Amino acid sequence: NAGVTQTPKFQVLKTGQSMTLQCAQDMNHEYMSWYRQDPGMGLRLIHYSVGAGITDQGEVPNGYNVSRSTTEDFPLRLLSAAPSQTSVYFCASSFHRLAGEETQYFGPGTRLLVL
Amino acid sequence: EDQVTQSPEALRLQEGESSSLNCSYTVSGLRGLFWYRQDPGKGPEFLFTLYSAGEEKEKERLKATLTKKESFLHITAPKPEDSATYLCAAISSGTYKYIFGTGTRLKVLA
Repeated sequence: NAGVTQTPKFQVLKTGQSMTLQCAQDMNHEYMSWYRQDPGMGLRLIHYSVGAGITDQGEVPNGYNVSRSTTEDFPLRLLSAAPSQTSVYFCASSFHRLAGEETQYFGPGTRLLVL
Repeated sequence: EDQVTQSPEALRLQEGESSSLNCSYTVSGLRGLFWYRQDPGKGPEFLFTLYSAGEEKEKERLKATLTKKESFLHITAPKPEDSATYLCAAISSGTYKYIFGTGTRLKVLA
């Protein structure tokens, strides 16, 4: 199993550009989520999904879109990048509502710099 | 509002000097409390999941415990390779949102 994979590892964008951060998992997890991690702020939930076709907003959803067409993939789209979106982005997945199996597994992260 | 607070923010220990990290939570109907380790430039790595007050779990030099208001990560006789940021997270019943603390940066000196 590859676990949770993320691409790209690092990206530089100009203000106003759009891009998609890719996330895939091969563990047949129903639950997938996106976080951003900023110094002193901890991990903050952007969007999450409890299954294909079902997504919902987290704590900091503005400026980001998600979709979940398959169980394996959960891409995060930045519509019009802003310097405030400079951060490290982590994707995570877990089984959903299965007793004893809700632990999230994280990808290696994407470092995004918006100029 | 659900909240998770970790203390201290940073901790320096001598090799072999045992200590504890604290995670206080205010979550309505705790469904799970999670501990992760994060090394610089990497994603969080799962350590423990605790579900009910009184529960304890151990792995090598680490032991996690849970009460109705807080969780502790006890580190016994730490080694330099235990240096990392330790993250705590909670999820409440009726939601699908994990709430993370800001972490404790641990440095173990040889």
